[in-house]
Amino acid sequence: QQQVKQSPQSLIVQKGGISIINCAYENTAFDYFPWYQQFPGKGPALLIAIRPDVSEKKEGRFTISFNKSAKQFSLHIMDSQPGDSATYFCAATGNFNKFYFGSGTKLNVKP
Amino acid sequence: KAGVTQTPRYLIKTRGQQVTLSCSPISGHRSVSWYQQTPGQGLQFLFEYFSETQRNKGNFPGRFSGRQFSNSRSEMNVSTLELGDSALYLCASRRAGNTEAFFGQGTRLTVV
Repeated sequence: QQQVKQSPQSLIVQKGGISIINCAYENTAFDYFPWYQQFPGKGPALLIAIRPDVSEKKEGRFTISFNKSAKQFSLHIMDSQPGDSATYFCAATGNFNKFYFGSGTKLNVKP
Repeated sequence: KAGVTQTPRYLIKTRGQQVTLSCSPISGHRSVSWYQQTPGQGLQFLFEYFSETQRNKGNFPGRFSGRQFSNSRSEMNVSTLELGDSALYLCASRRAGNTEAFFGQGTRLTVV
């Protein structure tokens, strides 16, 4: 059973547009939800993370929206740039020893 | 500050062989986790070590094993390699009590 479901699988956005990636989870014991960015040939890099006691967290152009009752969270990339083209993974954990990852979204920002 | 270092970066092995991968965590980080990344299955948790003890294990066969040394460096071993073991193996380190996990660049294992 997939613990974290991510959509869409791929996304094409024009430069300056908003990229939105969605994730849903089932386990209510999860209490930490990070997003990772991965470039080809590199390991995932932590982008931004949120805990369920807040509904939104913003860091620069990146915002996480969190809906605890719906068990959903999303990543918004404002003013998307070609340099943002990468694969994005959402994740969830309840004990920090084991992360469950979404299947990834390949983002392509067109210049 | 040095990041998580994984060696080697690339490996080609033959079916039936065994392989050992190494991970050096960020200085001061005592937790090391291993993940397998494949196009079909995504990122899957293998195991996590803290202070030389395995604290958590994913749903992988016993051919996958690991250990951690007193300096927090970790190794994972895969015995009797199968074609399906071809993947990017990632390790992540974390400071005790901290939520942020930092990944290395991975070891790309190809089994032929």
